[in-house]
Amino acid sequence: GAVVSQHPSRVICKSGTSVKIECRSLDFQATTMFWYRQFPKKSLMLMATSNEGSKATYEQGVEKDKFLINHASLTLSTLTVTSAHPEDSSFYICSARLGQALNNSPLHFGNGTRLTVT
Amino acid sequence: AQKITQTQPGMFVQEKEAVTLDCTYDTSDPSYGLFWYKQPSSGEMIFLIYQGSYDQQNATEGRYSLNFQKARKSANLVISASQLGDSAMYFCAMREGRGGGADGLTFGKGTHLIIQP
Repeated sequence: GAVVSQHPSRVICKSGTSVKIECRSLDFQATTMFWYRQFPKKSLMLMATSNEGSKATYEQGVEKDKFLINHASLTLSTLTVTSAHPEDSSFYICSARLGQALNNSPLHFGNGTRLTVT
Repeated sequence: AQKITQTQPGMFVQEKEAVTLDCTYDTSDPSYGLFWYKQPSSGEMIFLIYQGSYDQQNATEGRYSLNFQKARKSANLVISASQLGDSAMYFCAMREGRGGGADGLTFGKGTHLIIQP
């Protein structure tokens, strides 16, 4: 069964509004979660690493003020797309590692959120 | 330079045939892990198989096996006896380092596999 839950699965919003996406680890604690963005027929690009109780680590080129990440508990990380614009339309997907941070532990992904900004 | 290269943007394969999806990687770190994920049209990412850089044997998981050629830096995914449900995007990914930190994965561009009846 799913170990990472992501909500909502789809959201359509108007330009200028903010959208919050939730990522929950189910039945396990995730001190670290990862947020990816995927353009149509493209690979997944790591946006940021969400750390419980501390600031997120953003990848180069990702605006931290645009994509706000909050990881307030061991089972929940949120990504807020602030003042969304049509170019922010994309598929956002979160992931977490089940178990220890060992090299062979895979990331488990949520089902993703398809954001459309009109 | 790309860390993960998947040279096949798309593949058509007849049902029940075996499929090999190519993946080459680039790293100078002696410790790394290689992963394959399947992404159906629904968008979810499904973990398939893992190969560690120090693993002596090729990884296998059911119909999936990984043809790991360390000297060539390749980690091809082999799917035996393909099924219609195998149609999806397949991504090769790598984690570098010893994993003591919180490391995300670097993904290739993916291969769109279509199984034909």
